[in-house]
Amino acid sequence: RKEVEQDPGPFNVPEGATVAFNCTYSNSASQSFFWYRQDCRKEPKLLMSVYSSGNEDGRFTAQLNRASQYISLLIRDSKLSDSATYLCVSDAGKSTFGDGTTLTVKP
Amino acid sequence: EAGVVQSPRYKIIEKKQPVAFWCNPISGHNTLYWYLQNLGQGPELLIRYENEEAVDDSQLPKDRFSAERLKGVDSTLKIQPAELGDSAVYLCASSLEGGGPHNEQFFGPGTRLTVL
Repeated sequence: RKEVEQDPGPFNVPEGATVAFNCTYSNSASQSFFWYRQDCRKEPKLLMSVYSSGNEDGRFTAQLNRASQYISLLIRDSKLSDSATYLCVSDAGKSTFGDGTTLTVKP
Repeated sequence: EAGVVQSPRYKIIEKKQPVAFWCNPISGHNTLYWYLQNLGQGPELLIRYENEEAVDDSQLPKDRFSAERLKGVDSTLKIQPAELGDSAVYLCASSLEGGGPHNEQFFGPGTRLTVL
């Protein structure tokens, strides 16, 4: 079992839809969590950090559930430009990436 | 501000040949990472440096892979000899610090290695 697991998708949604991804982690010592976005054949880029109280950045909301050891990413009002692979990261002194969830937003 | 620079961007070699990748991190970033990414998978950490010290190289296949960061700035990752299974994208990243909730990693564009 991988230390960080994500549903690979693909998630195919229409523009304007709300979509949510979950990511589970197994290392209970993890202290920091992040969501990265990776476009096809490009490098990952930080989308947002995930704080214990949850945090929001525009259309994006990240949540952390320590009891169940998962983090989530909610995207509201999806845009075509949101199409990408979303990688979650758990950091327990070492950054461990999930394999990503692929999102395709269609007109 | 310049981002993380990597070279070469693409490399094609025959198996058993050596290959080297170079990375220059963002100025002022003390932490440097080398990752390997296969298609459809997330980046896997190979080695992490804090300044010139390798603080985590547990995932580095030391029989054929080596890395150095002599002056705590740029870094080189080497494979000798390369095997078919080494074909992947090699990503370099840097961050201001080595951990914590504000440890944003900035990635370079990667080197796409093909071993024939």
